[in-house]
Amino acid sequence: EVQLVESGGGLVQPGGSLRLSCAASGFTFSRYWMSWVRQAPGKGLEWVANIKEDGSEKYYVDSVKGRFTISRDNAKNSLYLQMNSLRAEDTAVYYCATFAKLRYCRSSTNCYGADAFDIWGQGTMVTVSS
Amino acid sequence: QSVLTQPPSVSGAPGQRVTISCTGSSSNIGAGFDVHWYQQLPGTAPKLLIYGNTDRPSGVPDRFSGSKSGTSASLAITGLQAEDETHYYCQSYDSSLGSWVFGGGTKLTV
Repeated sequence: EVQLVESGGGLVQPGGSLRLSCAASGFTFSRYWMSWVRQAPGKGLEWVANIKEDGSEKYYVDSVKGRFTISRDNAKNSLYLQMNSLRAEDTAVYYCATFAKLRYCRSSTNCYGADAFDIWGQGTMVTVSS
Repeated sequence: QSVLTQPPSVSGAPGQRVTISCTGSSSNIGAGFDVHWYQQLPGTAPKLLIYGNTDRPSGVPDRFSGSKSGTSASLAITGLQAEDETHYYCQSYDSSLGSWVFGGGTKLTV
């Protein structure tokens, strides 16, 4: 069974740090880009960060650049998010997800890859409050 | 404020058809970037519903369909069922922001 399980969430004071983990199973983790997406209480979804299969490319939403670091350990089938200088506005459920290139065709010769958040974990709650 | 605009809510009777719009701009949907749709049941993680504007992952009923034209995209749901009552999000890439972006979400009431 394909599964992503996040852990590491909790209550942290403003300015503090937290490290989230995401354990992958049921698929070849090292072949997939991975992502973190968050959702503040009662709000919509916000993409946070992406990392390439081998960790050589990383991308972040502007609001977390310089504070968050995404990383992975393919030998452990694990994804991480190191969060520093946390702010109240970082309070959210954090989901890890595969960022998969899903193939679709519009004809027998025209096929493309669509980068979408395919498989999601159940999420881990991060609360930043004093 | 998301760069992809969705109506906060839509409603329809059981068995009817509803559409949810996702309006973007020339730096995202209008630039040719794919639109994907996600369904999020209460208290659960989002689930990919439509990818590449129109395609359904395995297991998604054909009652759900997607379309895209110009700077907008739409999700259509036919034969509405009670279990369709939940939140739906569109998603694309914005070249001006250099960021993957979601719409604000739409609550469907059946």
